[in-house]
Amino acid sequence: GAGVSQSPSNKVTEKGKDVELRCDPISGHTALYWYRQSLGQGLEFLIYFQGNSAPDKSGLPSDRFSAERTGGSVSTLTIQRTQQEDSAVYLCASSPNPGNTIYFGEGSWLTVV
Amino acid sequence: GDSVTQMEGPVTLSEEAFLTINCTYTATGYPSLFWYVQYPGEGLQLLLKATKADDKGSNKGFEATYRKETTSFHLEKGSVQVSDSAVYFCAPQGDTDKLIFGTGTRLQVFP
Repeated sequence: GAGVSQSPSNKVTEKGKDVELRCDPISGHTALYWYRQSLGQGLEFLIYFQGNSAPDKSGLPSDRFSAERTGGSVSTLTIQRTQQEDSAVYLCASSPNPGNTIYFGEGSWLTVV
Repeated sequence: GDSVTQMEGPVTLSEEAFLTINCTYTATGYPSLFWYVQYPGEGLQLLLKATKADDKGSNKGFEATYRKETTSFHLEKGSVQVSDSAVYFCAPQGDTDKLIFGTGTRLQVFP
């Protein structure tokens, strides 16, 4: 596609439910990143994929968070047993190769009630 | 670990005023440096970048120079417009090529 595509754009979920957030990177981009932006906070790095492997998962805040990438393309970020503090905008980004400019999607707004 | 420090906002200016948003970073080696901008209701967009010492990135009238000796990448614009109102993020590219973001600086420009 023309840009990084994320879905859903908005999600409201009840505390304790699981959610899946999807990211479609720009075609041909091998590097994929997930970030989180909480209200009034900066962008927090979550995980980085190079192809289907994740050499850097250092930003995942707890074991309730996981992510996978298949076929070197689409990635899914899963949050299990959501908590209110998980409410944030989850941003996906991709890059042609590591070290190149990183392009961001519009984000998925997650609200846990 | 790698980190970035930006001046706190909001920065409030009148149209046509001079803008400086300070950014300093700590990183191993010589990272590429980026400024991203987030306009109201929109996603993050690359504003400009510099990949080595003394490089100057520029776009839309904004400039920033990679200063290795002071580990800084300050953003400047000679004459701001109302349409420049946004949140600006400085970001070095750390190891594993991830961008390290700070809290951002909100710029508000009034006519």
